[in-house]
Amino acid sequence: AQRVTQPEKLLSVFKGAPVELKCNYSYSGSPELFWYVQYSRQRLQLLLRHISRESIKGFTADLNKGETSFHLKKPFAQEEDSAMYYCALNTGTASKLTFGTGTRLQVTL
Amino acid sequence: EAGVTQFPSHSVIEKGQTVTLRCDPISGHDNLYWYRRVMGKEIKFLLHFVKESKQDESGMPNNRFLAERTGGTYSTLKVQPAELEDSGVYFCASSQGGPWDEQFFGPGTRLTVL
Repeated sequence: AQRVTQPEKLLSVFKGAPVELKCNYSYSGSPELFWYVQYSRQRLQLLLRHISRESIKGFTADLNKGETSFHLKKPFAQEEDSAMYYCALNTGTASKLTFGTGTRLQVTL
Repeated sequence: EAGVTQFPSHSVIEKGQTVTLRCDPISGHDNLYWYRRVMGKEIKFLLHFVKESKQDESGMPNNRFLAERTGGTYSTLKVQPAELEDSGVYFCASSQGGPWDEQFFGPGTRLTVL
């Protein structure tokens, strides 16, 4: 069965510092990987997905099949980036999402 | 356009009672999903409807949970009788087409079983 691991519950960084939220997965096939974000008092929303290869709000994520990782990165953190971030996987054959436990990003001045 | 809506936003019930959660997907979305986040744990898949049919209900915890989607529009998730471990946030999501399509989430229903 597939699994998503986010090792950090909380990541605290200073404004302007680089951010890396870690995500590792286990799945024997070719998954679709996503990052979802939940800002305070807002609903869960898609941030980016690996297949589109976009940069959203300055965030990027590269799928590394060798390391089975999909880490989320941003070169310079902003206060408005403070939120809960979830890495998720979709196998395609079944469209359900498998989520990690989430990482809370706290950006301080 | 309105997003996915869920009702109620909060529900507090006693163990043994029944609760029904409702989800209205985005209009035109055939796929409807239910997920649950229990305190301190990951968001877990419960089931997936395609129109009115249950496509995948592998995540339903036990037979105290019953989901319906009459007419392929809104969906309800009933818990009867509720147990303490059912407490958590129940999310609904909908998507338009294939398995890779973005899932749009509702705000969630926070269920507390006392």
